[in-house]
Amino acid sequence: EAGVAQSPRYKIIEKRQSVAFWCNPISGHATLYWYQQILGQGPKLLIQFQNNGVVDDSQLPKDRFSAERLKGVDSTLKIQPAKLEDSAVYLCASSSRDSAGGTEAFFGQGTRLTVV
Amino acid sequence: SQKIEQNSEALNIQEGKTATLTCNYTNYSPAYLQWYRQDPGRGPVFLLLIRENEKEKRKERLKVTFDTTLKQSLFHITASQPADSATYLCANQAGTALIFGKGTTLSVSS
Repeated sequence: EAGVAQSPRYKIIEKRQSVAFWCNPISGHATLYWYQQILGQGPKLLIQFQNNGVVDDSQLPKDRFSAERLKGVDSTLKIQPAKLEDSAVYLCASSSRDSAGGTEAFFGQGTRLTVV
Repeated sequence: SQKIEQNSEALNIQEGKTATLTCNYTNYSPAYLQWYRQDPGRGPVFLLLIRENEKEKRKERLKVTFDTTLKQSLFHITASQPADSATYLCANQAGTALIFGKGTTLSVSS
């Protein structure tokens, strides 16, 4: 099966500019996650969707970050305006719940954002 | 708040030895713990999942244990190889959310 697709792979922008990332999850996966991973740290959950509804966005800086998942499939994450500290890899992941409840997540390759 | 910690940032071992990585959690009891491998420039890849009522899980040279008394999971790689060099991430599954630790970078030298 096809994996999680993300684009672009790399992006360099100036501070105060806006940027958008796109994610296409594995077909049929109801849960979609966006994570931010700063160099040397583990992935930090930004937002979690179940189908097209938001389950958890408690860690999303809502003054500058927004995300949507139209029709419960593809998702976009936007930053406007970007700050230097937003430089990180943005990872998208998807999962489906198995019969026992454990949920393996499948990750895309990520988008490396550099804000200068 | 829920915390998941991987105390060692780096672990260096010789080829053929067993690598043991530690994951500790506080303030909650996760229903599941997951372990992932991440190579530079790549997204994490799922390795193993262990449920709270399971003491141990194995997959080829990998073994995971879950000690709810110590609030700890141990991840073992037996007969380690240089190809095992990577960052290993522990993740708590709370509901459907996955919360990750910082990771431990394993280096296996030949």
